[in-house]
Amino acid sequence: NAGVMQNPRHLVRRRGQEARLRCSPMKGHSHVYWYRQLPEEGLKFMVYLQKENIIDESGMPKERFSAEFPKEGPSILRIQQVVRGDSAAYFCASSLGPNSGANVLTFGAGSRLTVL
Amino acid sequence: AQKVTQAQTEISVVEKEDVTLDCVYETRDTTYYLFWYKQPPSGELVFLIRRNSFDEQNEISGRYSWNFQKSTSSFNFTITASQVVDSAVYFCALSDSLELTGGGNKLTFGTGTQLKVEL
Repeated sequence: NAGVMQNPRHLVRRRGQEARLRCSPMKGHSHVYWYRQLPEEGLKFMVYLQKENIIDESGMPKERFSAEFPKEGPSILRIQQVVRGDSAAYFCASSLGPNSGANVLTFGAGSRLTVL
Repeated sequence: AQKVTQAQTEISVVEKEDVTLDCVYETRDTTYYLFWYKQPPSGELVFLIRRNSFDEQNEISGRYSWNFQKSTSSFNFTITASQVVDSAVYFCALSDSLELTGGGNKLTFGTGTQLKVEL
């Protein structure tokens, strides 16, 4: 029973390029969350999605960042025109859903983005 | 607004020593969850414990124990007889209000405590 799968684990981009990070939730989980961890800091919430819906994007930067969780396939976090400040570890987590007994986020191993 | 403070940035201990990691939180919600996660050098986040705001009973799991005190808004984590494999960054986290989002899964993390256990 695979956990939350993220890829790529490491991604290097030059300034101005696009970064796409993928996340496949745990089997049976329909809720996905993205968090960002800047160097020497804790994780910061970015966005919460269900299939085909963005539930809460209050932590997403207003520009260049977008997320989706299509009906089929993994969730995608997309960063356009990356800048050096985007260098961070991006963690995906999934859960069974709101108000469920489980109510525990299972995290992936993270995708580490380096912008040159 | 929710806030989690882990005042200890880094702790170094010698193997077999006991160590306590502090966590203080702020919230206006009456219903919330508290969590501890471990991040070993490999980078993944490992869930350790979840505690809801109505359950102040302390918990012990092997060498790990947690002390939840609502009166001081603290949720401290103690490792007994520490081992080198305990070396990691430990994060305390607080969920948001279940009433607001219907989920309680949006976590506010502290900045983490780096624990180094040496031989």
